[in-house]
Amino acid sequence: DQQVKQNSPSLSVQEGRISILNCDYTNSMFDYFLWYKKYPAEGPTFLISISSIKDKNEDGRFTVFLNKSAKHLSLHIVPSQPGDSAVYFCAATQGGSEKLVFGKGMKLTVNP
Amino acid sequence: DGGITQSPKYLFRKEGQNVTLSCEQNLNHDAMYWYRQDPGQGLRLIYYSQIVNDFQKGDIAEGYSVSREKKESFPLTVTSAQKNPTAFYLCASTRQDQRAFFGQGTRLTVV
Repeated sequence: DQQVKQNSPSLSVQEGRISILNCDYTNSMFDYFLWYKKYPAEGPTFLISISSIKDKNEDGRFTVFLNKSAKHLSLHIVPSQPGDSAVYFCAATQGGSEKLVFGKGMKLTVNP
Repeated sequence: DGGITQSPKYLFRKEGQNVTLSCEQNLNHDAMYWYRQDPGQGLRLIYYSQIVNDFQKGDIAEGYSVSREKKESFPLTVTSAQKNPTAFYLCASTRQDQRAFFGQGTRLTVV
């Protein structure tokens, strides 16, 4: 049973537009959520996170929104740039467990 | 510079052989992890260790073994019991705030 789901495998947007990446989770005990970005043949790098006590966290062009009642979070990238083209993983964890559960990832392509 | 070092970057294994993937970190993190990535599968947890001399199985531990004799090192052995070992392997460690730092990965191919 997959606890973190990224249902869309890919997304293509034009440079300068908004990219919205979605993630759903099933475990209501998750209380901390993270987004990672991964280029081919490299390890993922941390992008942004959000605690369940918040519903929004912003860092430059990246904003993560959390809807706890819907068990849904989304990553917004505004404006999108060609360098944002990568695979994005959503991850979740339960406080104190240190075990990260990842979604399958979504490939974002930003076209010039 | 602090970070996680995985070696080798590419590894070829013959059928029936055991191979060991190295993972070293100088971040002073307690927790370390091994993940496997296959196309369309995302990252799946093989083993993790929260402290020296202790480790737990992840979701796909069969055919793998690990050790954690030192805080800095968490080697992964892919045994001959692993039926489909060809994949991209990632090692990670986490800070107290759960942010994970990943190595550059090892691509293992069975020939």
